[in-house]
Amino acid sequence: GESVGLHLPTLSVQEGDNSIINCAYSNSASDYFIWYKQESGKGPQFIIDIRSNMDKRQGQRVTVLLNKTVKHLSLQIAATQPGDSAVYFCAENSGNTPLVFGKGTRLSVIA
Amino acid sequence: ETGVTQSPTHLIKTRGQQVTLRCSSQSGHNTVSWYQQALGQGPQFIFQYYREEENGRGNFPPRFSGLQFPNYSSELNVNALELDDSALYLCASSSEWGAEVRFFGPGTRLTVL
Repeated sequence: GESVGLHLPTLSVQEGDNSIINCAYSNSASDYFIWYKQESGKGPQFIIDIRSNMDKRQGQRVTVLLNKTVKHLSLQIAATQPGDSAVYFCAENSGNTPLVFGKGTRLSVIA
Repeated sequence: ETGVTQSPTHLIKTRGQQVTLRCSSQSGHNTVSWYQQALGQGPQFIFQYYREEENGRGNFPPRFSGLQFPNYSSELNVNALELDDSALYLCASSSEWGAEVRFFGPGTRLTVL
């Protein structure tokens, strides 16, 4: 399939290691945040979300951390697998405003 | 599966032509949003429709227009295509206006030659 994100920041991790993908946001009014995974030729796939009244939220093998003081969001993937290889986007909004996406990070898992 | 489908999967047009892209929202979702994703970029908001009326628009010219139908389907129309319109076009639906947009369709890859 066609590649998405030919010149994105890339994170390479060994299979089985933990991955941490970071995202900085600029709108201090944002109160809702989502992480998406996008594989080549596909639409963004919802991974996990978090509201601004929380600092941490856990899902299956994934954890999102929110630091509102420095406007920073991170996605941690435990025991990274080859199937986790994709481009990861953070997105934010507040109230009824549309989602604003970050630039994305390409995660490459080395088997 | 998100329940959001889009057609066609791929499309090739020439500059100056018009194109219509289609989206079928998740059943019961009365809000649909369209996004444009250029290669190497994150998706950018085009507009949102709620109960068949546009109620939010991003920084896109009027030649980008849309329609939403009572059966949860919608269209994105682009007139006078330009080379820079080449992108992946994504739609997403939500259950109510203001509800979180979480689930995207697979997208339509438009190439303008």
